[in-house]
Amino acid sequence: SAVISQKPSRDICQRGTSLTIQCQVDSQVTMMFWYRQQPGQSLTLIATANQGSEATYESGFVIDKFPISRPNLTFSTLTVSNMSPEDSSIYLCSVSTGPANYGYTFGSGTRLTVV
Amino acid sequence: AQSVTQLDSQVPVFEEAPVELRCNYSSSVSVYLFWYVQYPNQGLQLLLKYLSGSTLVKGINGFEAEFNKSQTSFHLRKPSVHISDTAEYFCAVIGETSYDKVIFGPGTSLSVIP
Repeated sequence: SAVISQKPSRDICQRGTSLTIQCQVDSQVTMMFWYRQQPGQSLTLIATANQGSEATYESGFVIDKFPISRPNLTFSTLTVSNMSPEDSSIYLCSVSTGPANYGYTFGSGTRLTVV
Repeated sequence: AQSVTQLDSQVPVFEEAPVELRCNYSSSVSVYLFWYVQYPNQGLQLLLKYLSGSTLVKGINGFEAEFNKSQTSFHLRKPSVHISDTAEYFCAVIGETSYDKVIFGPGTSLSVIP
């Protein structure tokens, strides 16, 4: 399975600022996924990022708040913009290197605290 | 659309005792089922998956799960837990017709008591 390097692993940010999270995969993948895990809760899909096209956002998430880049088949970034304390969460990227029903590999996550 | 229910938000169990973590799903199409584990301050790791065939699936770290189509369940079991099994466990589904949408359950926090 793929190995994902995600950084930063954690950060404490001031409200109103933005943070860009990076996700690097050791192999080429078609789709990359960004999830949010709010404190004590499950994972919620933010968006799906395909190389060479606009990311597809899930209901409740918008590009202005969570812009995503996907410049090549091994890398993606998620930016959390104009942060508020409600954005304090763990953000995870995920990929599937085989058929989707084979399961997904997750990065170790970025633990974001907004103060 | 699919949904996943994990009835137990927290499960405390003594070391070396057996454990069962319950998962039920709802779907109008056939699904693929997964269990993931999240250790403290880490990402998710795939424990096991059911795609087709035998309904009893064995995974890593001595865990197994049984798919029951009539009860729409996919409960996770381990006959003897260790302290190192303390973690958050998530059941997840993918619909046959929606390969790119993984739906996660709310999670079960397993605490193993020495």
